Amino acid sequence: KAGVTQTPRYLIKTRGQQVTLSCSPISGHRSVSWYQQTPGQGLQFLFEYFSETQRNKGNFPGRFSGRQFSNSRSEMNVSTLELGDSALYLCASSLIFQGSEQFFGPGTRLTVL
Amino acid sequence: ELKVEQNPLFLSMQEGKNYTIYCNYSTTSDRLYWYRQDPGKSLESLFVLLSNGAVKQEGRLMASLDTKARLSTLHITAAVHDLSATYFCAVDITGNQFYFGTGTSLTVIP
Repeated sequence: KAGVTQTPRYLIKTRGQQVTLSCSPISGHRSVSWYQQTPGQGLQFLFEYFSETQRNKGNFPGRFSGRQFSNSRSEMNVSTLELGDSALYLCASSLIFQGSEQFFGPGTRLTVL
Repeated sequence: ELKVEQNPLFLSMQEGKNYTIYCNYSTTSDRLYWYRQDPGKSLESLFVLLSNGAVKQEGRLMASLDTKARLSTLHITAAVHDLSATYFCAVDITGNQFYFGTGTSLTVIP
């Protein structure tokens, strides 16, 4: 069974630009979560979507947004990029019940210059 | 806010030795996960612990959960070089919203 896929794998942007990252979950998984990983802050939860609805949101500014489509694919958008947004962005998919395992994609490495 | 602390942050151990990584968390939860991350790679799921007293073993790794103490351990037995990686614990209290520990960078020296 195919795993979680994320595109693109690498991105270089400049300050002030915006970026959209994409995530396709494992077939049958309807929950998609996004995380940011940086050396300084570690792994931090951004948001989680299920059935096209955001169910949980982490402590990030409104520049970070996301959405989920009817086929469970998800996108996240970061507007007005800042240098501190440089990070590895990881998407994870899981089944819908609490306690289900999250399976992570390979990540998108975003560099903001 | 939930805090998840791991120790040690860095661990250098010789092949063949045993060691334990500790994961403490600040809020009641009975859902605890362990992941492994190799340099430049994503997270690989190792263990899912869903109840007090849960113990799971895979190869040279064994994980346990004590929800009353809010403590999980990852025990390494007879370490080998292939176990070198960063290990994260994660706690879920709201459902699919994981709070990750700081990570433990393990280096196994031949």
